[in-house]
Amino acid sequence: GIQVEQSPPDLILQEGANSTLRCNFSDSVNNLQWFHQNPWGQLINLFYIPSGTKQNGRLSATTVATERYSLLYISSSQTTDSGVYFCAVERVNSGYALNFGKGTSLLVTP
Amino acid sequence: DTGVSQNPRHKITKRGQNVTFRCDPISEHNRLYWYRQTLGQGPEFLTYFQNEAQLEKSRLLSDRFSAERPKGSFSTLEIQRTEQGDSAMYLCASSLAGSHESPLHFGNGTRLTVT
Repeated sequence: GIQVEQSPPDLILQEGANSTLRCNFSDSVNNLQWFHQNPWGQLINLFYIPSGTKQNGRLSATTVATERYSLLYISSSQTTDSGVYFCAVERVNSGYALNFGKGTSLLVTP
Repeated sequence: DTGVSQNPRHKITKRGQNVTFRCDPISEHNRLYWYRQTLGQGPEFLTYFQNEAQLEKSRLLSDRFSAERPKGSFSTLEIQRTEQGDSAMYLCASSLAGSHESPLHFGNGTRLTVT
């Protein structure tokens, strides 16, 4: 199956700092999504971004499909950004299952 | 639109018992997915439906697991003869196939503990 590697595995930031999370994948994809899992376990969809760049408030994401990676930018981080960020991909011609990475655990301190 | 709803939120059962979970997707969504998540890991795909048809199953889904979506609306996931290794969070998600973008929306999950 497709390999999804996320880095860094853990990240601690002070409130107000910026960060970049990376997702590398091993095969061509036609679907890539970023999720945030909050400390209560709820998974929230952040971006549907198989290619290109999108922005939503303090968050933005870029996927370079030809080079098999995606980046999630968090600017001016807040304590509510804490949680685990997952990248999930759907390999071309493999059905519609999204395969998740192991996530980046982010802690934003006051 | 109340989002994806899962019941129960928590289930504690003894090894060897059968359990059943229910998922109600977002009403207009025709795709429904089941995932399993253990501590420190990302969600693992189990199976998905398009309308009432089960189109894909992971090899993680042993013959003790069965899922149904009888009328293309809600779905049930049954685990027979539960084992301690089945303890996990079971997540349901839905999406709308055929739209230009089809983001996945997750429910709050059912946490299963097998004692």
